[in-house]
Amino acid sequence: EVVLTQSPGTLSLSPGERATLSCRASQSVGSNYLAWFQQRPGQAPRLLIYATSSRAIGIPDRFSGSGSGTDFTLTISRLEPEDFAVYYCQQYGSVPWTFGPGTKVESK
Amino acid sequence: QVQLQESGPGLVKPSETLSLTCTVSGGSISDYYWSWIRQPPGKGLEWIGYIYYSGSIKYNPSLKNRVTISLDTSKNQVSLKLKSVTPADTAVYYCAMGFDNWGQGTLVTVSS
Repeated sequence: EVVLTQSPGTLSLSPGERATLSCRASQSVGSNYLAWFQQRPGQAPRLLIYATSSRAIGIPDRFSGSGSGTDFTLTISRLEPEDFAVYYCQQYGSVPWTFGPGTKVESK
Repeated sequence: QVQLQESGPGLVKPSETLSLTCTVSGGSISDYYWSWIRQPPGKGLEWIGYIYYSGSIKYNPSLKNRVTISLDTSKNQVSLKLKSVTPADTAVYYCAMGFDNWGQGTLVTVSS
C-alpha cells in the first residue's frame, strides 16, 4: 500500500500569500496518478488537480500541481478567502487508492 | 449536470450490515468509475472501493472482505454493503463519479 504523508499539518497564511503544500509517497506513484482535493467544513471534497498537474474543470489557475515519483506539490499562487480549507492528496496509481492525512490552510 | 444522492439508515447496530444507495440523476451509470469513500467525524478520507460499469471491482483490503459494491443499471443506482460493522465504521459515506463529482455524503452511526 502506498502511504501518503502531507506537510505541513497546518499552514497559517494571509489572503494574497502563496501556499505550498507537500505530499510525499512511501513508494513511487504509478503513472504519477496523484490528485489533490479541497474540503471546506461540512462539504464534500472537491477535485482540484488530477494526474499530478492537470486542473479539473472550473478550477482557477491560481491552483497548480507538480512533482513526480514520490514527491508532489500543490501551490496556490495567491490565497483567496475561499481557499482556507483542508487539502488532501490521493494516489490512484495502485490499489488500494490512498489519501494523505490532509493539510489545513488557515487564515493568520 | 449529473447529481449523486446517498441514502440509507443513519443508525446501524454493531454486527449488522450497513447498506447505502447512491442514486444518480441527470446521467447514466453505464460509464465512469463509481467509488465509495468514507470519513469518520473529524478525521481524514478513506477509499472503500470502486466499480467500473464494465464489471471491474476493487476494494480496500483493510475492510477485510466485509464490503460489496454493485450497480443497478435499471434504477441508475450504485450500492454499498458493509457487513459486521463496529463503531469504528461510523463515518460520513460518500459516493463519487470519477473523481470530480461527489454526493453530499450521508452520516452513518454504528451504535446499539
